Amino acid sequence: EPEVTQTPSHQVTQMGQEVILRCVPISNHLYFYWYRQILGQKVEFLVSFYNNEISEKSEIFDDQFSVERPDGSNFTLKIRSTKLEDSAMYFCASSRQGVEDTQYFGPGTRLTVL
Amino acid sequence: LAKTTQPISMDSYEGQEVNITCSHNNIATNDYITWYQQFPSQGPRFIIQGYKTKVTNEVASLFIPADRKSSTLSLPRVSLSDTAVYYCLVGDTGRRALTFGSGTRLQVQP
Repeated sequence: EPEVTQTPSHQVTQMGQEVILRCVPISNHLYFYWYRQILGQKVEFLVSFYNNEISEKSEIFDDQFSVERPDGSNFTLKIRSTKLEDSAMYFCASSRQGVEDTQYFGPGTRLTVL
Repeated sequence: LAKTTQPISMDSYEGQEVNITCSHNNIATNDYITWYQQFPSQGPRFIIQGYKTKVTNEVASLFIPADRKSSTLSLPRVSLSDTAVYYCLVGDTGRRALTFGSGTRLQVQP
């Protein structure tokens, strides 16, 4: 069964450093998403991406965040200058298209900012 | 996405059937109802989706009354491994941001 994959599974970084989280969505999917979940809190939407551009983003997704689909398979989330409060699980998701479709999530990357 | 209300927690025993009901009074005509399961430190996992009446797959059943203002996720014969948080989401889940609430924390006891 096709699945969303994410790398790395765990990333530790120093405050102020840049990190790039990588995702490989399901191959025939057209919509891509990033969510995050701070420990013990709800899953929060960050951004959605379709047709090589951002289609929706939340207030959390400020100028320090960016997304890119550098090739036909990868989808990345970059955090330019990490803060302590960026420590969280980051989930990538993808969906095909259409109201009746649903989003499939990857296993997540645990980001720890020291 | 439409606002949803579901119980904060539920307890059950192995082998029992568990029914989790979600209220979504403001569901729109085009909205689908989707349930996800999440284990600690893992991504949400799609369980089932429906629009009306009843949907069944190998994992669960989803019951939706005619007015669609609520839905019930039914897990037959739960096991310890079904201990997780279950989220009910309503809307255009194929293209729009998902808004996760706190979900229902199901604890299955031996």
